[in-house]
Amino acid sequence: SQKIEQNSEALNIQEGKTATLTCNYTNYSPAYLQWYRQDPGRGPVFLLLIRENEKEKRKERLKVTFDTTLKQSLFHITASQPADSATYLCALVLLRAAGNKLTFGGGTRVLVKP
Amino acid sequence: DGGITQSPKYLFRKEGQNVTLSCEQNLNHDAMYWYRQDPGQGLRLIYYSQIVNDFQKGDIAEGYSVSREKKESFPLTVTSAQKNPTAFYLCASSRQGSFSYNEQFFGPGTRLTVL
Repeated sequence: SQKIEQNSEALNIQEGKTATLTCNYTNYSPAYLQWYRQDPGRGPVFLLLIRENEKEKRKERLKVTFDTTLKQSLFHITASQPADSATYLCALVLLRAAGNKLTFGGGTRVLVKP
Repeated sequence: DGGITQSPKYLFRKEGQNVTLSCEQNLNHDAMYWYRQDPGQGLRLIYYSQIVNDFQKGDIAEGYSVSREKKESFPLTVTSAQKNPTAFYLCASSRQGSFSYNEQFFGPGTRLTVL
């Protein structure tokens, strides 16, 4: 069966350190992968997109890698700040998926301590 | 301001009642989506629409219905046939097109509680 897995345990990290989150998938061939941030009681907000032929993407303090051989994406927050505390969701889009549907992982909660 | 609005923010329903959740967008997006989120879980797709007067079932459509009579509006009705309707409901929209890669823009959500 198809699965998208993110670490369900919260990630506690000290301010200034790098937070690394994983997104693993099985039995998919995604065309691209997106990362979203979700704050409690609010809708997700788009952060980054990476295509299947891209290895790495950066945006300010965020970095995403995509390894289609390992079927894994890593999401890094460098120089983390307490304001980065939130849940981070990965989402896959399959090749030629009707309606460009996203399939979401369960999310990983990040808590950055001052 | 462009964006997506959902109403109400909180909704309480008695068992056996149908309720309709509102979703409006002024982003001129063709595609709209409804998701359900349960505590500690990711989003699951209920219905989506790529164009006015057309919509498709997502992964968990049973007990739900939608309409898309206008580009801006995509209301979701939670019917009494939905066995476990208490959840956080999120509406989203995106541009269509082969090269847009379609990031989705989400509304603030409606929290539905069945009493």
